[in-house]
Amino acid sequence: DTGVSQDPRHKITKRGQNVTFRCDPISEHNRLYWYRQTLGQGPEFLTYFQNEAQLEKSRLLSDRFSAERPKGSFSTLEIQRTEQGDSAMYLCASSLESDGYTFGSGTRLTVV
Amino acid sequence: QQQVKQSPQSLIVQKGGIPIINCAYENTAFDYFPWYQQFPGKGPALLIAIRPDVSEKKEGRFTISFNKSAKQFSLHIMDSQPGDSATYFCAASLSGGYQKVTFGTGTKLQVIP
Repeated sequence: DTGVSQDPRHKITKRGQNVTFRCDPISEHNRLYWYRQTLGQGPEFLTYFQNEAQLEKSRLLSDRFSAERPKGSFSTLEIQRTEQGDSAMYLCASSLESDGYTFGSGTRLTVV
Repeated sequence: QQQVKQSPQSLIVQKGGIPIINCAYENTAFDYFPWYQQFPGKGPALLIAIRPDVSEKKEGRFTISFNKSAKQFSLHIMDSQPGDSATYFCAASLSGGYQKVTFGTGTKLQVIP
């Protein structure tokens, strides 16, 4: 499978717990993006990496959120002290410099 | 501030009909306008995209019409099929950079057999 892979597909966590999601982009893609999608809405930009450098973070990304892409390959998104408002689909996408995105199937987070 | 407005929110057509989804943008610096198709439980998939130097682009049964002066663009699906039932998102971005994409709110399309 040469697509964008996200793990886990579903995560249920109790409020206040920390969670971490992983994204494996298409291998030759140097750009990696995280988006968040709530029910009935379009995806909202969270952050962007070019290779291992995190070049932009949205104001949506509070201090409880952190993303890394340590070797310019896979990326992780961690949410600390989860809140019910964090419940959403977290989407990862990758691209080459001049191409459109390829999205993964997402990680659905439910905070109870 | 919502930079890409999309309508309608939902749409029901019969098989063979031509659903039309409309979008309007505010930022005149946008120069790349993709459409994404999303099925339940899946991430969005790029369907077709246009740049503002052309007024129309066709790929198979999907056509984008673009009106730069009105800052509007639309998606037409010719000879729609039940398999086209999905949520469609218009979007806009700036090229030449990292292509952060601003999405519309989505249109849920149902094609009835």
